[in-house]
Amino acid sequence: DAKTTQPPSMDCAEGRAANLPCNHSTISGNEYVYWYRQIHSQGPQYIIHGLKNNETNEMASLIITEDRKSSTLILPHATLRDTAVYYCIVRASGNTPLVFGKGTRLSVIA
Amino acid sequence: DTGVSQDPRHKITKRGQNVTFRCDPISEHNRLYWYRQTLGQGPEFLTYFQNEAQLEKSRLLSDRFSAERPKGSFSTLEIQRTEQGDSAMYLCASSLRASGTGAFVSYGYTFGSGTRLTVV
Repeated sequence: DAKTTQPPSMDCAEGRAANLPCNHSTISGNEYVYWYRQIHSQGPQYIIHGLKNNETNEMASLIITEDRKSSTLILPHATLRDTAVYYCIVRASGNTPLVFGKGTRLSVIA
Repeated sequence: DTGVSQDPRHKITKRGQNVTFRCDPISEHNRLYWYRQTLGQGPEFLTYFQNEAQLEKSRLLSDRFSAERPKGSFSTLEIQRTEQGDSAMYLCASSLRASGTGAFVSYGYTFGSGTRLTVV
């Protein structure tokens, strides 16, 4: 079962930052937070993951609260091509397959 | 290597027929996963392989479903006696679980574009 809670949908104006929240209040100490997104008619795409420190890559930034019970994925300058379903997943080890919930449908509006 | 390839992209079949899907992972990836996705839902895990060994199967994988990865490269997923409830997108993903600095490192999954199955 998915261990995360995400809003079902969000809107964001093109060029603005998109901040996607995720609650994972039951996260264990050895569980990582992963983010994937799925653009219509494509397979999910890996975005970023982290354990407790904030992470940044060319796609996004991941901010994890100090108690690790929630996180926020930040797309700094959203474009229309960022319209997708965004999945937040917690996962302990590499032996555990990813378990997807329903995610957040982000609509970037011109 | 252009990523994970799945074939066919679309399949329409009559109820009761058997279907087989193929997945070609990224060549250096040793893990391969199958997921199923229905409209409005996230992908649901079905099974995964490390090299040629099938390490885990979901309860969703009924007796009518079988997956193989005979040489640790490509994989096939077969559904026998298809039912209308089998209509879904079938997604394949691969990943590399490799040792680095004395510990196993697991990298993110790369998904294919999926095979959309419609059972009529």
